[in-house]
Amino acid sequence: GAVVSQHPSWVICKSGTSVKIECRSLDFQATTMFWYRQFPKQSLMLMATSNEGSKATYEQGVEKDKFLINHASLTLSTLTVTSAHPEDSSFYICSAPRTGTGDRNEQFFGPGTRLTVL
Amino acid sequence: GDSVTQMEGPVTLSEEAFLTINCTYTATGYPSLFWYVQYPGEGLQLLLKATKADDKGSNKGFEATYRKETTSFHLEKGSVQVSDSAVYFCALAGGYQKVTFGTGTKLQVIP
Repeated sequence: GAVVSQHPSWVICKSGTSVKIECRSLDFQATTMFWYRQFPKQSLMLMATSNEGSKATYEQGVEKDKFLINHASLTLSTLTVTSAHPEDSSFYICSAPRTGTGDRNEQFFGPGTRLTVL
Repeated sequence: GDSVTQMEGPVTLSEEAFLTINCTYTATGYPSLFWYVQYPGEGLQLLLKATKADDKGSNKGFEATYRKETTSFHLEKGSVQVSDSAVYFCALAGGYQKVTFGTGTKLQVIP
């Protein structure tokens, strides 16, 4: 099946620094990728839609200047958490639909990145 | 907007017990419905899916039927195993490929 990877799998950083998380589709091209945030014992909340060749679309309440998204190629999207603070600590997950499959709505999820801001 | 409601957990069952996790949804149009599973320390994995009314998704002994009349997609398994312990998410995908998740139900199966 399709594989989506994320790097790093976990990161610890100091408050005020920026952290970049990569999401790659390994065996297919993805013109669209999605970024989610998962709080402990809670569900996944969609943060933004990453679009190759155009600006990302952010969900209501998500600060676009804080969570910078760049869809650099058809297989790579990056999420940069700028000036991170402890409240940004969370589990960040990306997903990508693989076009050309029978169900255009099927998403393939990355394994997630655990961010801890001290 | 779209929404998914699933039963709160945690659910604790003995091995070989019958499992039901309820899920209902609200959506415009005709969404696809999914169950995802998240094992401890791992990412989400697609467990099963259904793309239209009356479809039954099945995998690894789990089943769920897309019921449009009751807007439900309940997950069932006849005999759970310890290895089924995980968090299960009901989800739907409508237009623009966006996925809306339920809050997740933690299942713990004890020997």
